[in-house]
Amino acid sequence: DIHLTQSPSSVSASVGDRVTITCRASQDFNSWLAWYQQTPGKAPRLLIYAASSLHTGVPSRFSGSGSGTEFTLTISGLQPEDFATYYCQQTNSFPLTFGGGTRVEIK
Amino acid sequence: QVQLQESGPGLVKPSETLSLTCPVSGGSINSRDYYWGWIRQSPGKGLEWIGSIHNSGSTYYNPSLKSRVIISADTSKNQFSLKLSSVTAADRSIYFCARHNKFWYVDLWGRGTLVTVSS
Repeated sequence: DIHLTQSPSSVSASVGDRVTITCRASQDFNSWLAWYQQTPGKAPRLLIYAASSLHTGVPSRFSGSGSGTEFTLTISGLQPEDFATYYCQQTNSFPLTFGGGTRVEIK
Repeated sequence: QVQLQESGPGLVKPSETLSLTCPVSGGSINSRDYYWGWIRQSPGKGLEWIGSIHNSGSTYYNPSLKSRVIISADTSKNQFSLKLSSVTAADRSIYFCARHNKFWYVDLWGRGTLVTVSS
């Protein structure tokens, strides 16, 4: 199984800040990685796929990068609705696996 | 607009079988472009992919659960289902039904349903 480790596990930030979340994989794979956002009581929502492609309707302040074993999600100009938990997911091989999540909290 | 909504008991007894269905509205489960799956979320284990099915009949399961899981589809009712047998307290989770695109990203989620295991 490909194990995904996210860091940090939580981050405190203010509206307007730039936030970067890292997802490290236990083995090298191509860019088959997605990022999701989840707010309390809701299902996750796809933000980024193929490591850097923005899903339909997702604001351009979200961006993704990386390949191999290290990937990043960046939120440029944090908005109030962005305070949530973010997860990475790999689709390179079965079983599909998710990172442990990064909670973005209001400072 | 395609929507998914999990349906089934919120309480299952230990050693029994958890059964959930996911009717697909606004779209067809017969689409060759998508896979239909189940993902669960518990405080201790985060998000865990359970398994998925394609309209071709192909199924894909997480090896950690494979011996206890059956995912099936009913095209006449436009829905797919999850059966997880021999449940224990460790299976207490929010269960989401989901749609994967051809690259296996989840582009559509159900709202999720909490299933508790207790006698």
